[in-house]
Amino acid sequence: AQKITQTQPGMFVQEKEAVTLDCTYDTSDQSYGLFWYKQPSSGEMIFLIYQGSYDEQNATEGRYSLNFQKARKSANLVISASQLGDSAMYFCAMREKSGGSNYKLTFGKGTLLTVNP
Amino acid sequence: DAGITQSPRYKITETGRQVTLMCHQTWSHSYMFWYRQDLGHGLRLIYYSAAADITDKGEVPDGYVVSRSKTENFPLTLESATRSQTSVYFCASSENGFYGYTFGSGTRLTVV
Repeated sequence: AQKITQTQPGMFVQEKEAVTLDCTYDTSDQSYGLFWYKQPSSGEMIFLIYQGSYDEQNATEGRYSLNFQKARKSANLVISASQLGDSAMYFCAMREKSGGSNYKLTFGKGTLLTVNP
Repeated sequence: DAGITQSPRYKITETGRQVTLMCHQTWSHSYMFWYRQDLGHGLRLIYYSAAADITDKGEVPDGYVVSRSKTENFPLTLESATRSQTSVYFCASSENGFYGYTFGSGTRLTVV
């Protein structure tokens, strides 16, 4: 079963508008972490934002915020005031313990965001 | 230079050949990871390592071998390359596995 589900293969948004990228996750751990990464066409993986499972406040980093709904197991990324440079692939990822001891990071399939001028 | 480096950046190999992708990090991070990225699949975890001499299988380990004799290096070997292993491979590291995952620039491998 997929651990991280990103249901939007592609999204379009107008420049300067806000956009929400969906992410749901599945884990039985109480302690876990959720990450969002951006991958522009150049290919590098850029860390955007992190939310720990025990964090009570939603994480924010500049124009990025994470809408964390623990009971629904969702961790949606909100990008405010979209810019042309935000056009990229976006990945949601989850850190959890494997076999009770070591950590691992698993990814969703990604959402390709296109910002239109 | 400080950071995480992968080599080579690009590699073309023939079916059946053994090929090794290198990953080197200068931070002495405990954790290192190998992923492959394919269209429609996102990044899938191949193997990971919590420390030197400790490795674990990820989601798609078949056909791959790893070793970690030194903390800073985590080579990935395809023992007998197949066309289905054509992919972009990313290495990542993290100090403690809890946070702060940093990725290399990737290796684009083509198996012909």
